[in-house]
Amino acid sequence: GQSLEQPSEVTAVEGAIVQINCTYQTSGFYGLSWYQQHDGGAPTFLSYNALDGLEETGRFSSFLSRSDSYGYLLLQELQMKDSASYFCAVRAITNYGQNFVFGPGTRLSVLP
Amino acid sequence: DAGVIQSPRHEVTEMGQEVTLRCKPISGHNSLFWYRQTMMRGLELLIYFNNNVPIDDSGMPEDRFSAKMPNASFSTLKIQPSEPRDSAVYFCASRDPLSDQPQHFGDGTRLSIL
Repeated sequence: GQSLEQPSEVTAVEGAIVQINCTYQTSGFYGLSWYQQHDGGAPTFLSYNALDGLEETGRFSSFLSRSDSYGYLLLQELQMKDSASYFCAVRAITNYGQNFVFGPGTRLSVLP
Repeated sequence: DAGVIQSPRHEVTEMGQEVTLRCKPISGHNSLFWYRQTMMRGLELLIYFNNNVPIDDSGMPEDRFSAKMPNASFSTLKIQPSEPRDSAVYFCASRDPLSDQPQHFGDGTRLSIL
């Protein structure tokens, strides 16, 4: 089976840096994705790591360590609009082939 | 380019009624996913299709739920009869299974069963 763990909530102030961790257990693994979801909105794609290391996209970076079954999303220069839920998702092998499994989500609150 | 299109955006109905949710995937995306999101259970995969064929329906909660994909540009998720515990936001997503590209989500249908 597949399981993912993330912190349920994180709070930070504007301009700060925050790291959201994700650990996973899967029977097969292709890559780790991160999605952002604002209240009342749809999940939107942020980043994808298939290989170990850091991927940077503007203020957001994502890291993966396959040997540790661990990844994180790093948000820099936090802005109020970054307040949202963040989900990690593994692209993994299931009994039915490839699939994406989502973590429980981390609610980020950015304070002024 | 148009994204994933879902309808209706909101649905309020009484328990026992049939509910049909609709989804049009992004053109060229041959994988389509139906998710349900609630506060208690998070984002759950209900079923997904590859090339219009259901591949994994292990997440469908019970026989009251059914999904079809009659062609590459349209899918439905049906609940009959509906119950209050089915109240949730239902998302449809699509992706190109031959690439590393991510899933793209529709705006969701907010379903309330009274």
